[in-house]
Parts: sequence; structure tokens; C-alpha cells
Amino acid sequence: DGGITQSPKYLFRKEGQNVTLSCEQNLNHDAMYWYRQDPGQGLRLIYYSQIVNDFQKGDIAEGYSVSREKKESFPLTVTSAQKNPTAFYLCASLGLGPNEQFFGPGTRLTVL
Amino acid sequence: GQNIDQPTEMTATEGAIVQINCTYQTSGFNGLFWYQQHAGEAPTFLSYNVLDGLEEKGRFSSFLSRSKGYSYLLLKELQMKDSASYLCAVNTNAGKSTFGDGTTLTVKP
Repeated sequence: DGGITQSPKYLFRKEGQNVTLSCEQNLNHDAMYWYRQDPGQGLRLIYYSQIVNDFQKGDIAEGYSVSREKKESFPLTVTSAQKNPTAFYLCASLGLGPNEQFFGPGTRLTVL
Repeated sequence: GQNIDQPTEMTATEGAIVQINCTYQTSGFNGLFWYQQHAGEAPTFLSYNVLDGLEEKGRFSSFLSRSKGYSYLLLKELQMKDSASYLCAVNTNAGKSTFGDGTTLTVKP
């Protein structure tokens, strides 16, 4: 089945450690996105990529980094520079014709 | 930048009709998404409007007016399971996809 996978579902890390969240899609979508969601709030865009080897900062990119070496994969690294990393992280991809944006199941990151 | 506004909360009765509005200001508008999100879960895609007008998909319909920077999601024959957050998101020509804060809909018996 086609879809987007994120792993792990729950992740715990100590303060000061970098952590990488994975996002893989087999939908052949060109565009991929990372969002952060805090309790009771909407989604905020961290980074997005429209094509392999290219990505742009979203609205809250500070303290995060990404790579897009393969069309299928768009991993997000939460660095120690991110002051409040505990959140629900969602990855999405966008296809054209019809335009549909699909989300992965999300990763809940807790920094202790 | 982009500015997207939705009501924070709405309440409706089972079997009724509810309209959730979304207004936006953006440059390079390329389309508008609506999503449903249940607590603790990822959003699920409902609709994508590019052209003006109404698009119907079962009990859900979405309307867009690009000149007014306005969209609404219409939910008919409300069911208890429709209690969720409804998210409006704007996509731009640059490929950026930005969300509003969402509207929490509570359906009461």
C-alpha cells in the first residue's frame, strides 16, 4: 500500500542531544513537509522540500535541520539548539493531479 | 507572509449543518486545503480548492472565493464522530503550505 511512514511513534531524549526523525513515502510525491504541533494549537511549518536536493525554511526552522537526498525520504534533525523541542512532529507529502496532501502518523518527541 | 484565520471553537447538534469559515491573506495563492484532525492523531485530507466555487464530496463540501480570500467547509447531517478539529491550510506557488490554528467542532446529541 502507498503511504507515508514516520518512526518511531514515541521518542524520548535527554536535553542537549540531537535526534533525527524519519519520514518515508512511496507515493512518488515530489513535495514533502515537516510540521510541529503543540497541544491545542495548529500546525507550524518547519521545513519543506519541493524536489530532491533542495529544501526551504518554513516559519520556525531555527534549531532544526533537514536533508532530501532521495525523493522518498525527508529526515528531520532536532538539534540541541531548539529551545523547546517537546512536541508532536508531522511529516506530509503533496502530489499533483489530484492535489492531495497526505500526513504520516506523527512522532511524539519528549525531551527530558 | 501568510495570515490564516478560523474560529477557535464551534458547537452544533447531531443531524444539523455547520459551516466553518476560513479567511486568508497570502501572495502567490495556489490552493486551499481542508483537513480533519481527531485528538492525538494526524490530520486527514478532506478537500483541496484551486478554483472559485463549491466542491461537494459526500456530507462535506468546500467553497472558495479567491477574490475575497475566503473559504468555508460545510458539514451536513452531522454525526457524533464529526467532533474534531478542522484545519484550513493555504498552498502557495512557491510550494509553501501553511495552516491556520484550526477550529474545534463539538457535536452534541
